[in-house]
Amino acid sequence: DTGVSQDPRHKITKRGQNVTFRCDPISEHNRLYWYRQTLGQGPEFLTYFQNEAQLEKSRLLSDRFSAERPKGSFSTLEIQRTEQGDSAMYLCASSPEVAGFGYGYTFGSGTRLTVV
Amino acid sequence: KQEVTQIPAALSVPEGENLVLNCSFTDSAIYNLQWFRQDPGKGLTSLLLIQSSQREQTSGRLNASLDKSSGRSTLYIAASQPGDSATYLCAVRVGNAGNMLTFGGGTRLMVKP
Repeated sequence: DTGVSQDPRHKITKRGQNVTFRCDPISEHNRLYWYRQTLGQGPEFLTYFQNEAQLEKSRLLSDRFSAERPKGSFSTLEIQRTEQGDSAMYLCASSPEVAGFGYGYTFGSGTRLTVV
Repeated sequence: KQEVTQIPAALSVPEGENLVLNCSFTDSAIYNLQWFRQDPGKGLTSLLLIQSSQREQTSGRLNASLDKSSGRSTLYIAASQPGDSATYLCAVRVGNAGNMLTFGGGTRLMVKP
């Protein structure tokens, strides 16, 4: 297990289509996060899972977005009825949880979404 | 609401120069601060993590400091090399229960040979 894996690396889709991205975290990490990054900006938080439970969602996560983490392992992020404004890099990160100590986050390489 | 600012937004230096990147945050009640590097079109690579109780962390030619009371962190890069060219992002984590990172906009560094 060498890190956080994301698939696909790039996705081009037509406006109105649905897309799904996958993230495989580091196996011993029970926390998983999704972020979105637009060109020239820092990443923005979307949502976070602890094991299979989705514990926090940003207001950026509109009704067209849904994320799952079945069995507390890999996660999927689905965008329905894509819009051009959804074009961005979608980053996944994971971290372990140890009470009283804040481990850093490990990010994947991201999925670049282009909506045409 | 936590806000993170990075200055400058872009920096170009000749090879060999020592340089400092700045990060400031509005809420000093942070849990930790992490510096990342991002190459164009790529994901984030963690460089240094500083816990709120720490003052600095070092890794090779990199040194990061944290002054929580003033809401500032700096990333010092010694003897810069063209391979250091990338965008550098700082991110703060507020609390252990709340888990999101709040990022700055990044500093785009170009080291010229």
